[in-house]
Amino acid sequence: QVQLVQSGAEVKRPGASVKVSCKASGYTFTSYAIQWVRQAPGHRPEWMGWINAGNGNTKYSQKFQDRVTITRDTPANTAYMELSSLRSEDTAIYFCARLGPSAFDMWGQGTMVTVSS
Amino acid sequence: SYELTQPPSVSVSPGQTASITCSGDKLGEQYASWYQQKPGQSPVLVIYQDSKRPSGIPERFSGSNSGNTATLTISGTQAMDEADYYCLTWDSSSWVFGGGTKLTVL
Repeated sequence: QVQLVQSGAEVKRPGASVKVSCKASGYTFTSYAIQWVRQAPGHRPEWMGWINAGNGNTKYSQKFQDRVTITRDTPANTAYMELSSLRSEDTAIYFCARLGPSAFDMWGQGTMVTVSS
Repeated sequence: SYELTQPPSVSVSPGQTASITCSGDKLGEQYASWYQQKPGQSPVLVIYQDSKRPSGIPERFSGSNSGNTATLTISGTQAMDEADYYCLTWDSSSWVFGGGTKLTVL
């Protein structure tokens, strides 16, 4: 079945970077875009950016474009999201999701990132 | 930046119909999708392209989108439908989520 499995929880110091992985299975990885979304506790989801898994093209939210890098490894069917210059406000659950027909049709289980000194 | 507005909460009795709205400027000119999120879980797509149901989503979930408002309707609401619901649309250069609606089944 279609599945997105993310890497485990991370605890980082302010100013550090974090890299979260998202491994896809059950479908042709290069046929879909992967989105990255974060959700702070009690807040709405917030779109960060996406990658076309086929050609590697990316698009980032203006809010994050100076700090986020999304990449993919096609032989490994895995997408990555790296966020730099972390601050306490970046504490959130980070999700990857597959872009289906005008919607995010499959989500990873989420990765908790805690930024604390 | 584009904004989508949802009521913070909606309450419904079991078996009744719940309607959750999502408002945004000319929202009807873009596709809207809806997500159900239960505590501690990832969001689940329940409606895409305004009114289509993914496989496995019960028929009691339906959607519409016209003018400035998209609506998620849950007919014959069940206790298991209690969750947060978010709308989502694409606005020229970014995906935008609504603020979310907590559905309580009393």
